[in-house]
Amino acid sequence: NAGVTQTPKFQVLKTGQSMTLQCAQDMNHEYMSWYRQDPGMGLRLIHYSVGAGITDQGEVPNGYNVSRSTTEDFPLRLLSAAPSQTSVYFCASGQNNNEQFFGPGTRLTVL
Amino acid sequence: AQSVTQLDSQVPVFEEAPVELRCNYSSSVSVYLFWYVQYPNQGLQLLLKYLSGSTLVESINGFEAEFNKSQTSFHLRKPSVHISDTAEYFCAVGGGGNKLTFGTGTQLKVEL
Repeated sequence: NAGVTQTPKFQVLKTGQSMTLQCAQDMNHEYMSWYRQDPGMGLRLIHYSVGAGITDQGEVPNGYNVSRSTTEDFPLRLLSAAPSQTSVYFCASGQNNNEQFFGPGTRLTVL
Repeated sequence: AQSVTQLDSQVPVFEEAPVELRCNYSSSVSVYLFWYVQYPNQGLQLLLKYLSGSTLVESINGFEAEFNKSQTSFHLRKPSVHISDTAEYFCAVGGGGNKLTFGTGTQLKVEL
């Protein structure tokens, strides 16, 4: 099993550009989520999904969109990037209130 | 609503000394508690978890944590740290729908 994979590993955007961060898992987990990690702030939940076709907002959803068309994939879209979205983004998957498995992260810089 | 407080942002310690990383939580529902570790430029890995049963949980590399419901704490301890334990440690609480709330992290720096 590959676990949770994320692409790209690094990305530099200009203000106003759009992009999609990819996340995939091969563990057949129903639950998937996106976090952003900023210095001194820990991890904050952006969006999450409890199954295909079902998504909901987390703590910091503004500026981000998600969809979940399959169990495996949970992409995160930035429609119009802003410097405040410079961060490290982690995708995670899990099952039944148990351990969540994290991907390696995407380091995003918005100029 | 749930919240997690990690009061110590940095903890320096000498190799082979004991260490305690503090974690306090608040939750209105039954909780599941986790400690994750993040090595430099890597993702988060589960260190240990409390779901139910024994309040003392242990990891394979010598860490342990005790769930204390009356003090709403889940402190992480290790009796003798190694240089390889240098990392950032995150406490997290879950309690419904797999959502986790993380603390702000504690950077453990082990010195020779």
